[in-house]
Amino acid sequence: NAGVTQTPKFQVLKTGQSMTLQCAQDMNHNSMYWYRQDPGMGLRLIYYSASEGTTDKGEVPNGYNVSRLNKREFSLRLESAAPSQTSVYFCASSKTGISTDTQYFGPGTRLTVL
Amino acid sequence: DAKTTQPNSMESNEEEPVHLPCNHSTISGTDYIHWYRQLPSQGPEYVIHGLTSNVNNRMASLAIAEDRKSSTLILHRATLRDAAVYYCILRDFINTGTASKLTFGTGTRLQVTL
Repeated sequence: NAGVTQTPKFQVLKTGQSMTLQCAQDMNHNSMYWYRQDPGMGLRLIYYSASEGTTDKGEVPNGYNVSRLNKREFSLRLESAAPSQTSVYFCASSKTGISTDTQYFGPGTRLTVL
Repeated sequence: DAKTTQPNSMESNEEEPVHLPCNHSTISGTDYIHWYRQLPSQGPEYVIHGLTSNVNNRMASLAIAEDRKSSTLILHRATLRDAAVYYCILRDFINTGTASKLTFGTGTRLQVTL
């Protein structure tokens, strides 16, 4: 069981470039999440997907789009990267959306936008 | 989500117990108390959660005050591998199938020394 995997691990972009962060889970979970973590801060929710075929905005969705490709995969796209999007991005999944469910996190993608 | 207050940092000696406090004076009756931790350069991982009664698992114990306005995460014998940022998070009980989000604060940075 790999759990939650993310690619790439590191990425450097120039302002205005686009990229997609990939996330996959092999635990047959229904719900998936994208968070960002800025230096010295806690994680903030960008988007989430309660189940396959649905997505909803989180706390900081501006500048991002998501796709729930299938039950396993949930991607995050930056259409036109900005320096303010320099951060560490974490993907997570949980079996259901019930609040007592544990969320399992991936190892993160460190993104720098120059 | 109700707010939590944690000390910014704590220190412990290896193999000694550690008590990590969390205040949540505005907790509602349906809020679960969750603890996650984040080891250096990794994604957060679940530690424990509870509602009213004290809880134990292989990682830690959670002691919840009778009025539920505070809780304490107890690591019975700290090791160097327990050095991490510990987050106390309140999650309202949601049972509608809608994904339940984690709202992270800045947590407590635990340092463990020999």
